[in-house]
Amino acid sequence: SYELTQPPSVSVSPGQTARITCSGDALSKQYAYWYQQKPGQAPVVVKYKDSERPSGIPERFSGSSSGTTVTLTISGVQAEDEADYYCQSSDSSGTYLLFGGGTRLTVL
Amino acid sequence: EVQLVQSGAEVKKPGESLKISCKGSGYSFTTYWIAWVRQMPGKGLEWMGIIYPGDSDTRYSPSFQGQVTISADKSISTAYLQWSSLKASDTAMYYCARLTGGAEYFQHWGQGTLVTVSS
Repeated sequence: SYELTQPPSVSVSPGQTARITCSGDALSKQYAYWYQQKPGQAPVVVKYKDSERPSGIPERFSGSSSGTTVTLTISGVQAEDEADYYCQSSDSSGTYLLFGGGTRLTVL
Repeated sequence: EVQLVQSGAEVKKPGESLKISCKGSGYSFTTYWIAWVRQMPGKGLEWMGIIYPGDSDTRYSPSFQGQVTISADKSISTAYLQWSSLKASDTAMYYCARLTGGAEYFQHWGQGTLVTVSS
């Protein structure tokens, strides 16, 4: 089977840097994508192809990749960044899509 | 502007059938994959499957194969997710989402359809 593993929770104070990791064997071959989901809302993509940022997403959101782990970094965290974050990729063949379990970012 | 508008909330009993919909507009409906994503209460996102409305090519997550049916009617730019016999465990929010041209990620999302299955 294939899976993407994320920490269940990350907590930071406003202005600090939050790092959310996502690990999985498929990530050595496939890009990762990151979504932000706030309560009662549909997810929104915040990073694609590991490190690209869609228009409208603040520059404080960045991404990186190393081997089978990708990282979403939020620099200078703001209260509005408090949300659930999900990584997404596909299996090594590109046939099946999958999500990580999600990480709840709490801004203290 | 790309829009995906989903059908309204449903309350059903176990064993009943259900078909929910997702109408796309603002783009060529037949040339982008549409996905369905489940989110159970308080839980994470789960990819259920995708359909290419142009030729109805459909792929299911192994977790959902045989449990649901995904279809599309390109004449009315609408994708569907259906159950033949609902279970209480099908209670969830269901999102449709349009993938990018390369079917890599979920670029645009519907507002979600809440399905509640309770006796």
